[in-house]
Amino acid sequence: NAGVTQTPKFQVLKTGQSMTLQCAQDMNHNSMYWYRQDPGMGLRLIYYSASEGTTDKGEVPNGYNVSRLNKREFSLRLESAAPSQTSVYFCATSRHTDYEQYFGPGTRLTVT
Amino acid sequence: EDKVVQSPLSLVVHEGDTVTLNCSYEVTNFRSLLWYKQEKKAPTFLFMLTSSGIEKKSGRLSSILDKKELFSILNITATQTGDSAVYLCAVRVDNNDMRFGAGTRLTVKP
Repeated sequence: NAGVTQTPKFQVLKTGQSMTLQCAQDMNHNSMYWYRQDPGMGLRLIYYSASEGTTDKGEVPNGYNVSRLNKREFSLRLESAAPSQTSVYFCATSRHTDYEQYFGPGTRLTVT
Repeated sequence: EDKVVQSPLSLVVHEGDTVTLNCSYEVTNFRSLLWYKQEKKAPTFLFMLTSSGIEKKSGRLSSILDKKELFSILNITATQTGDSAVYLCAVRVDNNDMRFGAGTRLTVKP
C-alpha cells in the first residue's frame, strides 16, 4: 500500500504559469484535503473534499481550484502562479471528516 | 477569527527530560483537537481529543484536553533524540475546516 502519494515532488514555475498538483490515495478514505505550509505559519487548509463529488473552501482558497476526480484522486490547480504561492503543499486524507488525517510526502513549489 | 496558539515555539532539552507542550485555541465551533509530529516531511498523527479530562496515552506520550479553559497539553516523558521534531496542534471546527498552530520545535540533545 502506497498510502497517500503526491506528484511532482518538486516544481519551479515562472509567474503566470499554470500547473496541477496531483494526489492519490489507496486507503479507501472518503475525505481529502489540500494544505500549504509556510515557514513559521503552520499548515493552512486550501480546499477539502468531504466525499466524492463535493468540494469546499478552506482558510486560504484564493488563487487555487480543485477537482475530486474520483474517490482516490484529488487535484489542486494553480491557474496563474504568483510568487506568494511559493510553499510546500501537502495532500491529506481521512476516513471521514471527523477522523484523523494522513498526509502525503508534500510538493515543494517555487514560483519565480 | 479562529486561532490556535502553541507554546513554546522552540524547546531544547536533554535525553531523559520530561517536556510539556501547550496548545490554546479560540474557535467558533469546536469539534476536536489533534496532535501531529512532523520530522523532515509529512506530519504523522499522534492523538485526537474530543472530550475534556480524558487522557490519551501512547507509550511515553500523553495528551489531555480542557474544553473549559480552551487548551491542550502534550507530555513526553523520558525524551529520546528520536523525539526531536516539530509538534503541531490542530483544531477541527464545525464546518470541518482545520486550524493549525505554528508548531513547537523540540530538540532533544544526547
